[in-house]
Amino acid sequence: AQSVTQPDIHITVSEGASLELRCNYSYGATPYLFWYVQSPGQGLQLLLKYFSGDTLVQGIKGFEAEFKRSQSSFNLRKPSVHWSDAAEYFCAVGGNTPLVFGKGTRLSVIA
Amino acid sequence: DGGITQSPKYLFRKEGQNVTLSCEQNLNHDAMYWYRQDPGQGLRLIYYSQIVNDFQKGDIAEGYSVSREKKESFPLTVTSAQKNPTAFYLCASSISRQSEQFFGPGTRLTVL
Repeated sequence: AQSVTQPDIHITVSEGASLELRCNYSYGATPYLFWYVQSPGQGLQLLLKYFSGDTLVQGIKGFEAEFKRSQSSFNLRKPSVHWSDAAEYFCAVGGNTPLVFGKGTRLSVIA
Repeated sequence: DGGITQSPKYLFRKEGQNVTLSCEQNLNHDAMYWYRQDPGQGLRLIYYSQIVNDFQKGDIAEGYSVSREKKESFPLTVTSAQKNPTAFYLCASSISRQSEQFFGPGTRLTVL
């Protein structure tokens, strides 16, 4: 069965600093990979997705993620964080079954 | 304006009562899902449906029931058999099981 691990429960970064959120997955075949963002009390919004092709994927709000098959990873990056990026971020893996979500990483942004 | 609606936003019920959460989508998606979210637990799949009149149990289906009589609608009933029903419930839909899911705004259920 597929699984997703987000090793960091909570990360704090300064506004303007770079960001990398880690995601490791376990899946027997080529995975479909997703990153979602959730503001408090809201639903999830899709940031980006990887199905196949170029392993560097661009998303909304200036985010990107890189699929590394050899490391079973799909880390999310942003070169310069804005205060409005403070939220919870979820990585998800899919394939022939419904998506499986990680437990999330909460991002705090300080001035 | 296409999307997923969930109602109500907040719901309070007394212990022992069944309660039904609404989820409607106008995206013409075949697949619909219900998740439960608790702090620090991520999203856990309750039920999903790939087509009208068919649905499958997810990881935590005990104490919940669903129906899929129309493509647009996928209501979730939280029964009195659910031991700890207080949580944030999210509904989602997708074109197919493999594609990205779109989420509604959620319903926060509090059982008193």
